[in-house]
Amino acid sequence: TQLLEQSPQFLSIQEGENLTVYCNSSSVFSSLQWYRQEPGEGPVLLVTVVTGGEVKKLKRLTFQFGDARKDSSLHITAAQPGDTGLYLCAGAPTDSWGKLQFGAGTQVVVTP
Amino acid sequence: NAGVMQNPRHLVRRRGQEARLRCSPVKGHSHVYWYRQLPEEGLKFMVYLQKENIIDESGMPKERFSAEFPKEGPSILRIQQVVRGDSAAYFCASLRGQGLTEAFFGQGTRLTVV
Repeated sequence: TQLLEQSPQFLSIQEGENLTVYCNSSSVFSSLQWYRQEPGEGPVLLVTVVTGGEVKKLKRLTFQFGDARKDSSLHITAAQPGDTGLYLCAGAPTDSWGKLQFGAGTQVVVTP
Repeated sequence: NAGVMQNPRHLVRRRGQEARLRCSPVKGHSHVYWYRQLPEEGLKFMVYLQKENIIDESGMPKERFSAEFPKEGPSILRIQQVVRGDSAAYFCASLRGQGLTEAFFGQGTRLTVV
């Protein structure tokens, strides 16, 4: 089993501050996805990164895939209360493309 | 996650009863995955199905759990003789086809065993 470790588990910040969430593994993934999950809802895909070293930007969110395709980070600039949620990373193993391995998640709370 | 429909949203069962969870994938998607999420934990893969076939059930307990995805109709996750430890949120995800790992998730079914 390839484990994905997310850190921190919980993050509480004030509106306007920046934050970074990390997702690490000792295994290589063919791709890695970031999801956000609201209470009582299913995960919603934010981004997929495929190439080692890849950086993708989605408005105030910046996603990076490590060169070795084992780790990733999510950086939010000038966080807003609407960014509050559970952020999950999920990796697709190289030999099982559709069978996602999820991290335990990082709960982000942004207060006004 | 638009288009993946799961029902019911909430299900309460007494110990020993059967739970049937339904998932209709995005139209045109033929690959369905079931995941279970326990409180304070990430989603755990259970089973992967294509139409009329179970492709990978390595994450599903061998006892009491079964899944199907018939030619017509939704995918069904069935849990027989439920126990308190089965209480969790069960999510279904659909993908368009092989090689595409962008999964669209439903809103989940929250099963509570009392």
